[in-house]
Amino acid sequence: DAGITQSPRYKITETGRQVTLMCHQTWSHSYMFWYRQDLGHGLRLIYYSAAADITDKGEVPDGYVVSRSKTENFPLTLESATRSQTSVYFCASRTGTAVLAYGYTFGSGTRLTVV
Amino acid sequence: DAKTTQPPSMDCAEGRAANLPCNHSTISGNEYVYWYRQIHSQGPQYIIHGLKNNETNEMASLIITEDRKSSTLILPHATLRDTAVYYCIVTNAGGTSYGKLTFGQGTILTVHP
Repeated sequence: DAGITQSPRYKITETGRQVTLMCHQTWSHSYMFWYRQDLGHGLRLIYYSAAADITDKGEVPDGYVVSRSKTENFPLTLESATRSQTSVYFCASRTGTAVLAYGYTFGSGTRLTVV
Repeated sequence: DAKTTQPPSMDCAEGRAANLPCNHSTISGNEYVYWYRQIHSQGPQYIIHGLKNNETNEMASLIITEDRKSSTLILPHATLRDTAVYYCIVTNAGGTSYGKLTFGQGTILTVHP
């Protein structure tokens, strides 16, 4: 099915473990983004990517690593999870045209709990 | 990107028009106004965007003042399912910002019967 999918939907992990959140989109959108949303707060940008092999830091990149070897995938890795990384993570994508005709499309989110 | 200011909360009766204001007094000439909403626990949903002309789609209308320093999102006939947090975001289309979206606190719209 066309769209943007995130996996897993829910994840519980222990402090210090590495965990990877997956994001896959079927439109071949150039741009992809990772946001986190903490309870009672707005979304904050972690990392973004303009194309395969092109990534850049957002507002809150510390403790996260991204890669983009294929256009359709944009995994987010927490190298050593901390309790402060407990959050809901949203992936998004958009087209690469100069005019943002239809805005971003967001995934359904991954709810991560670090214990 | 220009900063936006929205009221923290608003109420609206079902079936009535919901008018959500947004101030963006420092908007620059190449920046667009975008509106998104987030229904509880879901990913944000794109509603509408505009540069300087008023815009309308199947979901809403966007009215941008002539000086572009403020805008209003209009949901013409609000339903209970429109209860959500509404975000007004200003961003440019490309360049070094890649059209990044910077989310503020938004407006919590509650539609009541």
